[in-house]
Amino acid sequence: EPEVTQTPSHQVTQMGQEVILRCVPISNHLYFYWYRQILGQKVEFLVSFYNNEISEKSEIFDDQFSVERPDGSNFTLKIRSTKLEDSAMYFCASSEDSLTEAFFGQGTRLTVV
Amino acid sequence: AQSVTQLDSQVPVFEEAPVELRCNYSSSVSVYLFWYVQYPNQGLQLLLKYLSGSTLVKGINGFEAEFNKSQTSFHLRKPSVHISDTAEYFCAVSGRTGGSYIPTFGRGTSLIVHP
Repeated sequence: EPEVTQTPSHQVTQMGQEVILRCVPISNHLYFYWYRQILGQKVEFLVSFYNNEISEKSEIFDDQFSVERPDGSNFTLKIRSTKLEDSAMYFCASSEDSLTEAFFGQGTRLTVV
Repeated sequence: AQSVTQLDSQVPVFEEAPVELRCNYSSSVSVYLFWYVQYPNQGLQLLLKYLSGSTLVKGINGFEAEFNKSQTSFHLRKPSVHISDTAEYFCAVSGRTGGSYIPTFGRGTSLIVHP
């Protein structure tokens, strides 16, 4: 069964460092998403991506964040200068179109120290 | 704008007992509704979804949910739970935001099944 894969499963980084979280969406999907879940809190929408550009983003997704689909298979989330409050589980998701359910990866746990 | 309220942060229940996890939503547009499950150290897995048609939807693992438009609810039920159902359950609503549907999640309900 096709699935969304995320790497790494856990990343520890120092405050102020740049991190790149990687995702491989399901191959025939066209819509891609990043969500985050701070420990004990709800899953929050960050950004959606379609046709090689951002289609929607939340207020959380500020200038420190960027997304890219560099090679037609990977979908990356970059945090330029990490803060302690960026520590969270980051989920990538993809869907065939905007009206069907999103399939989620297993997440990357980011710990900023 | 749309939002989801999951009224119970934690629901403890004994094995083989019935369970209901509550979800209410608000939206100014027509919505699609979903329940996802998150097992420990895993990602989010779709349990069931309501897009249109019958208001009673059946999902995987014996779960079902009923869409009630007048009460803006989408409660999840299972008549007899197993230990393996212990997990975090998320209700999500997807309404048209700009040009696309973006799922918005509730805070989650932790279902704890005791032997």
